[in-house]
Order: sequence, then structure tokens, then C-alpha cells
Amino acid sequence: EVQLVESGGGLVQPGGSLRLSCAASGFTVSSNYMSWVRQAPGKGLEWVSVIYSGGSTYYADSVKGRFTISRHNSKNTLYLQMNSLRAEDTAVYYCARGVVITTIPVAFDIWGQGTMVTVSS
Amino acid sequence: QSALTQPASVSGSPGQSITISCTGTSSDVGSYNLVSWYQQHPGKAPKLMIYEGSKRPSGVSNRFSGSKSGNTASLTISGLQAEDEADYYCCSYAGSSTYVVFGGGTKLTVL
Repeated sequence: EVQLVESGGGLVQPGGSLRLSCAASGFTVSSNYMSWVRQAPGKGLEWVSVIYSGGSTYYADSVKGRFTISRHNSKNTLYLQMNSLRAEDTAVYYCARGVVITTIPVAFDIWGQGTMVTVSS
Repeated sequence: QSALTQPASVSGSPGQSITISCTGTSSDVGSYNLVSWYQQHPGKAPKLMIYEGSKRPSGVSNRFSGSKSGNTASLTISGLQAEDEADYYCCSYAGSSTYVVFGGGTKLTVL
């Protein structure tokens, strides 16, 4: 079964760090375009970051310089290292598999169940 | 403020059809036929319903259809059913610098 399972969310103080994990089954993370998308409480979806099969990474301006996306090929797992966290980073974080045409994103076809990150003192 | 503009809410009765609009700019929706639509029930992950503007993934009902005109994409749901009640989000590629943008979401109520 094709599946994504996130973990690592929790309560963290402003300025703190957290690492989210997304374990994949049924397909290979390193062969796909993988993204993180977040959703603040009661709000809409916001794209956060992507890592291409070739290793290129991109970030939304709101997290650039603070978040780092990576993957562990043998563990078939995607990560999001989040540093210098702010209250506005509070959200459910979803990992998602992307569908691409050459290198252009078409859609996100597989989503995890999400993990909640709360940034508060 | 989201990059793509959607109505906050739409409603319809069972059996009716509704359309949700998604307005962008010439830098995103207008430049690429790469709009996707997602359905999200409360407390659940989004589900892909339409991609490349009008294509349906395997398993998605043919009651869902997509289209685009200029800078505006649309999702139409025909033969409304109670289980269609959910939030719907559009998404578009927006070029190599902005990358991907979402709409603010539309809450569909089936009366």
C-alpha cells in the first residue's frame, strides 16, 4: 500500500527547533518529488518546501533560511528540520508526494495524515 | 492573503451542480495548465480530485470536473451528494521562484 506517515510534531518554544519525519511505504522517496505542506489552525494550505529526486531543494519565502528539507534513502524517509521557530509556524504539517512533468510540479497525489506543530511559550 | 482567490463558501442541494472558482494571475493560473484541486474533510488530509486543470485521478468520481479560462480555473461538482460536503482548495504552479501557490479554500455545504 502506498502510504506516508508523519511524526515528530509537538509543542516547542519560540526560537526552538523540531525535526519532522515522514516515512514512506509502497514507493521510493528518493525517486520522487516530495514536499511539505502546512495548514495553520482554521486556515488554508501553504506549500513549504520540496526536494526533487535529483536532490534540488526549494523553499517558501516564509521559511527560507530556517527550514531544511532532506531525505534518508535507506530509511525511505523524508525530513523537515525546523529552526528558529515562530508562533506563525504553528500548523499541521503534511508530507506529500508530487507528480511532475519533467521538473514542473503538476499535483500532490499522496498525502500523509499530518503532524501538529505548536510554537508557544 | 492567499495567492489564488476562491470564494469562502458555496452551497447546493443534493442532486444540483455547483462551481467553485479559483482566480490567479498571468504568472500562475494564466500561464500554465497546471491547476489541481483538493478535497479536505474535517480533520483529514487533502485528497487530489483534479490535476492538469481537468484530469481526474483513478477512483475520483466523474461528477467532478475542471476547466480554465484565462486566469480563472473552476471546479464543477454535478449531482451533489452529502459526502461532497468538505473544503476544496485549488493549487497552481507559479514559476521557478514562487513555485506552488494554493487558494484560500472554499467550504462546500450540501443543504
